[in-house]
Amino acid sequence: GAVVSQHPSWVICKSGTSVKIECRSLDFQATTMFWYRQFPKQSLMLMATSNEGSKATYEQGVEKDKFLINHASLTLSTLTVTSAHPEDSSFYICSARDVSGFLTSTDTQYFGPGTRLTVL
Amino acid sequence: AQKVTQAQTEISVVEKEDVTLDCVYETRDTTYYLFWYKQPPSGELVFLIRRNSFDEQNEISGRYSWNFQKSTSSFNFTITASQVVDSAVYFCALSEAGNTGKLIFGQGTTLQVKP
Repeated sequence: GAVVSQHPSWVICKSGTSVKIECRSLDFQATTMFWYRQFPKQSLMLMATSNEGSKATYEQGVEKDKFLINHASLTLSTLTVTSAHPEDSSFYICSARDVSGFLTSTDTQYFGPGTRLTVL
Repeated sequence: AQKVTQAQTEISVVEKEDVTLDCVYETRDTTYYLFWYKQPPSGELVFLIRRNSFDEQNEISGRYSWNFQKSTSSFNFTITASQVVDSAVYFCALSEAGNTGKLIFGQGTTLQVKP
């Protein structure tokens, strides 16, 4: 139980292109999902909170026009990195919040396996 | 402001040794949650434990145990008889009160268990 998937697991793209990353909760409904970015040997940095059916809430310093988030259903959130540049290369991780307590601990975030983005 | 500090950046032990990972937190909230996650080299964060602020009971799960001390704002994690497979980065995290569910992560502790 409590499985979160991410697709793709890695992607290499050319500078200026857009990349979409999907995050799915496979066995529970997640009204809230979170997107993080992690640089090598560093901690996770929260980018935004994605709420089903409403606009995402971005952390200070994160460009909302650069990182588009859509939470179209209770099991799917997408992050689109628009006009990607080499400095956007990073490990992007999503998490889904299980508030029901149906699976295990109530109100716990479960993380996807991450997507490694390399922009050439 | 809320903050999580994991002062140990890297720890190296030999297999079968016990090891304790420290976590100290700061919060003004009376209701909060504390978490430990494991991040193996593959990158995926694995949930280990969630503890709420009203429950100071220590917990044991196999070789893992957690010591929650509100008086010192600490939530330490001990691995008994460590194994090579325990090698990973371990993150302690604190969640805000209220409904946001945001997690504040510590800097992480890299544990290397040598055979």
